[in-house]
Amino acid sequence: QVQLQESGPGLVKPSETLSLTCTVSGGSISSYYWSWIRQPPGKGLEWIGYIYYSGSTNYNPSLKSRVTISVDTSKNQFSLKLSSVTAADTAVYYCARVRSSQGYCSGGSCYPGLYGMDVWGQGTTVTVSS
Amino acid sequence: DIQMTQSPSTLSASVGDRVTITCRASQSISSWLAWYQQKPGKAPKLLIYKASSLESGVPSRFSGSGSGTEFTLTISSLQPDDFATYYCQQYNSYSFGPGTKVDIK
Repeated sequence: QVQLQESGPGLVKPSETLSLTCTVSGGSISSYYWSWIRQPPGKGLEWIGYIYYSGSTNYNPSLKSRVTISVDTSKNQFSLKLSSVTAADTAVYYCARVRSSQGYCSGGSCYPGLYGMDVWGQGTTVTVSS
Repeated sequence: DIQMTQSPSTLSASVGDRVTITCRASQSISSWLAWYQQKPGKAPKLLIYKASSLESGVPSRFSGSGSGTEFTLTISSLQPDDFATYYCQQYNSYSFGPGTKVDIK
C-alpha cells in the first residue's frame, strides 16, 4: 500500500524559500504523476503543481514564478520549493499521487489525462513568520 | 484560467437525507472532474473521478454526474460519517471549487 509522508521545516521566515519533501513508500515513484496542494488555515484547497516521474512539470499560473517541483527517483522522493514566501503562504501542504489515463488534445492544447489524486500524505503545517 | 464554483457553500441536513451538491466550471471541461471529501484535520479523500466513476472502496451511496460545465455529487442517504466538506476539482487546469460544508441540521 503506497504511503506518502511530507517533511520539512514548519517555520519559514518571510522572503526566504520554503522547501518540502514527499517520500513515497510501499511503491515506486515511477509511472505516476505527483502533486503538491496547500490549504491556508480555515480556507479551501489550492493546487500548486505536479511532476511526472520523468521530470516534466506543470504549475499553478498564480504561483509559477516562485515554484519549483523536482523528483529524485533514486530516493523515491519529490520536492517542493516556494521562493520569496510571505504570510499568505502559511498553510498545510499536502503531497499526493495523481492517476492518469490516455492523454488528449482539445482546443489547441494537449493534456496528460490526469483524473484524480488517490493517495495523499497527512499534510504538514508551514508557518511563515519572522 | 478555469474558475470553479460550488453551491451551496453550506448545507444542513439530517441522517437519511438525500443530498446534492453542484459544481460549475467557467468553461467546458468535458468529464474531467473529481470530487473529494475532507474532514477536519485530515487530508482529502477521492470519492469520484471522471465525473461519475466511483473510487474503489467508496460507498455506493455516493454518485456523480454531469459533463461540460455542470456537475453534481449526490449522497443518496446521508450517514453520520458523511458530515464533512466536499470539493470538486477540474482536471484541465486543476483548480478546486471553494467547497461545500455538510453539517448536521
